[in-house]
Amino acid sequence: AQSVTQPDIHITVSEGASLELRCNYSYGATPYLFWYVQSPGQGLQLLLKYFSGDTLVQGIKGFEAEFKRSQSSFNLRKPSVHWSDAAEYFCALNKYNNNDMRFGAGTRLTVKP
Amino acid sequence: DGGITQSPKYLFRKEGQNVTLSCEQNLNHDAMYWYRQDPGQGLRLIYYSQIVNDFQKGDIAEGYSVSREKKESFPLTVTSAQKNPTAFYLCASSILGFSKTDTQYFGPGTRLTVL
Repeated sequence: AQSVTQPDIHITVSEGASLELRCNYSYGATPYLFWYVQSPGQGLQLLLKYFSGDTLVQGIKGFEAEFKRSQSSFNLRKPSVHWSDAAEYFCALNKYNNNDMRFGAGTRLTVKP
Repeated sequence: DGGITQSPKYLFRKEGQNVTLSCEQNLNHDAMYWYRQDPGQGLRLIYYSQIVNDFQKGDIAEGYSVSREKKESFPLTVTSAQKNPTAFYLCASSILGFSKTDTQYFGPGTRLTVL
C-alpha cells in the first residue's frame, strides 16, 4: 500500500510567488515525516522534519510545513520562491524504524523568471 | 567537513559485468543505507546495515550485494543478475538506524548506465 503520496508530479510557479507542495500519508499511528530537496544530479538534502509537538515546523531555506492529522497531510510551503528553489522535492515517512522509510514519488518544481 | 562521499559520480558498465559503487562517511554514524532512484518512483531501499559486519535486505535486494567491514564504508555491488541496473544510486547514513526519529543524510549519488 502506498504510504506517501505526492499528488503533483510537476509544479511551475513564478519567482516571488508563494509555494505549497502537497504530501499525504497513510499510517494509523503517529507518523514521523520529512521533506527533502534534490537538485539535478545531486543527493537529497533535509529541509525539515516532524516528530511531535508543534504542528508547524520550520526548516532551512525559508521553508515550513504543517502537519494536519485530520487530513493526513504534511504540506510544504514557502512564502516567496527564489529561482534557486527549482529542484525536486520528496516527502518521506518513517513508520516503524529507520529501515522502513517510505518516500513519495517526488514533485518537480520549476520557477519562472 | 563531515559528510558522505560516493564514487564515481558516473559509471558505465557493459551487460554481464559486475560493478561496485563506493560509499564512505565520516559522520561516525552506525547505520548506512543504499537506495535506488528511478524517474517518477521516488527512492527504494536496496540494503541497509545497522552495524559493522551486519546488513539486511531492503525491498529490492535481488541482483545486488553489499559488505560492511568498516563503520565508515558500505560498498554496493551491482551484479550481472540485476536485470535493469541503469539508475541513480544514493547512499545514506544515520546515527543509529533503529529509531524512526533518526534522520538519514544522503550522499551525492552515482549514476550507473548499462551499455
